[in-house]
Amino acid sequence: DAGVTQSPTHLIKTRGQQVTLRCSPKSGHDTVSWYQQALGQGPQFIFQYYEEEERQRGNFPDRFSGHQFPNYSSELNVNALLLGDSALYLCASSSESRTTGELFFGEGSRLTVL
Amino acid sequence: AQSVSQHNHHVILSEAASLELGCNYSYGGTVNLFWYVQYPGQHLQLLLKYFSGDPLVKGIKGFEAEFIKSKFSFNLRKPSVQWSDTAEYFCAAPRGRRALTFGSGTRLQVQP
Repeated sequence: DAGVTQSPTHLIKTRGQQVTLRCSPKSGHDTVSWYQQALGQGPQFIFQYYEEEERQRGNFPDRFSGHQFPNYSSELNVNALLLGDSALYLCASSSESRTTGELFFGEGSRLTVL
Repeated sequence: AQSVSQHNHHVILSEAASLELGCNYSYGGTVNLFWYVQYPGQHLQLLLKYFSGDPLVKGIKGFEAEFIKSKFSFNLRKPSVQWSDTAEYFCAAPRGRRALTFGSGTRLQVQP
């Protein structure tokens, strides 16, 4: 049973560019959330997708956007990259129907902005 | 909404030492709390969780945590750490539905 998979694992961009990160949720999961983890910090909630719509959003600017596809996979897009966007981006999935709603995390995509 | 804070940023222990990592939460109605662990190069995984009932919660790999309402605390404990416990530990609380707010984390380094 595949867990949460993310791609790419590492990438380097320059300021002003745009980036797209991808996430496939754990089998049977329908809810996907994205987190940003800066070096030495805890993960910060960016947003969550359920039924192909953004259901909740953290305190991140509109440069951060996303999408969820009918197969529940998701993308995170960041426009006009800043140096401060350098971080590990984590995807977490869960099942809306499960009572406990435990989150399962991928290994992340490490973005470096130069 | 609940928030959590962790005050131990970096802890260094020798093998077989006892561990206690602090986590304090802010009051926000029903209290649900989690501890996650991130081993080097691996994904975040759930250690244990508290929803209600017995305030002493047991998790995987010999970890436990005690919910103390009067102290707004949910400290993580292990009686005897191993080198393989070297990792980063995060306390977390729910943020809306199926999302979490995390503390800043505690890096644990266990020396053989």
